[in-house]
Amino acid sequence: EAGVAQSPRYKIIEKRQSVAFWCNPISGHATLYWYQQILGQGPKLLIQFQNNGVVDDSQLPKDRFSAERLKGVDSTLKIQPAKLEDSAVYLCASSLAIDTQYFGPGTRLTVL
Amino acid sequence: TQLLEQSPQFLSIQEGENLTVYCNSSSVFSSLQWYRQEPGEGPVLLVTVVTGGEVKKLKRLTFQFGDARKDSSLHITAAQTGDTGLYLCAGKMRDRGSTLGRLYFGRGTQLTVWP
Repeated sequence: EAGVAQSPRYKIIEKRQSVAFWCNPISGHATLYWYQQILGQGPKLLIQFQNNGVVDDSQLPKDRFSAERLKGVDSTLKIQPAKLEDSAVYLCASSLAIDTQYFGPGTRLTVL
Repeated sequence: TQLLEQSPQFLSIQEGENLTVYCNSSSVFSSLQWYRQEPGEGPVLLVTVVTGGEVKKLKRLTFQFGDARKDSSLHITAAQTGDTGLYLCAGKMRDRGSTLGRLYFGRGTQLTVWP
């Protein structure tokens, strides 16, 4: 069974630029999550989708972050404009049952 | 402020030694999970504990959930070099804005096992 796919794996941008990350969850997984993991910290949930609907985006900085999952399968997370403090690994996860999340390898973002 | 505090932050031991990692909070969780994360990869779920006082064993790893469901520990017996990695605990809690429950992660314990 293929795992969660993410791209790109690495991205370097300058502050105030825009960036987008893509995630393809495990086939059949209705729930998709985006997490931010800053160096030296654990992952922090940004947004959770159930199919193509948002069930939790209370920790998403909506002034600069946006995410969509239009067809209930893959998802994109966008940052516009990026700040230095956005440098982190962005992890996508998916789940079939609520308690078992499968994580992708992440996208490492560096904002200069 | 971290909801879950993990200790120690770093642990460096010789192969064959035993170790315990702690995960503490003042909050009550509906369940507690332990993950292992290796460089360049996402966390991989090791175990989920649900009931206060529950103990689960996974080969040389023993996980315990505190009676009050506020803390947990991970004990590794006879550590091997393959156990090296970042161990993260994560508690599930339903709170404002999260009808299904949200996972809160600790900062992790970086374990290095030397041959």
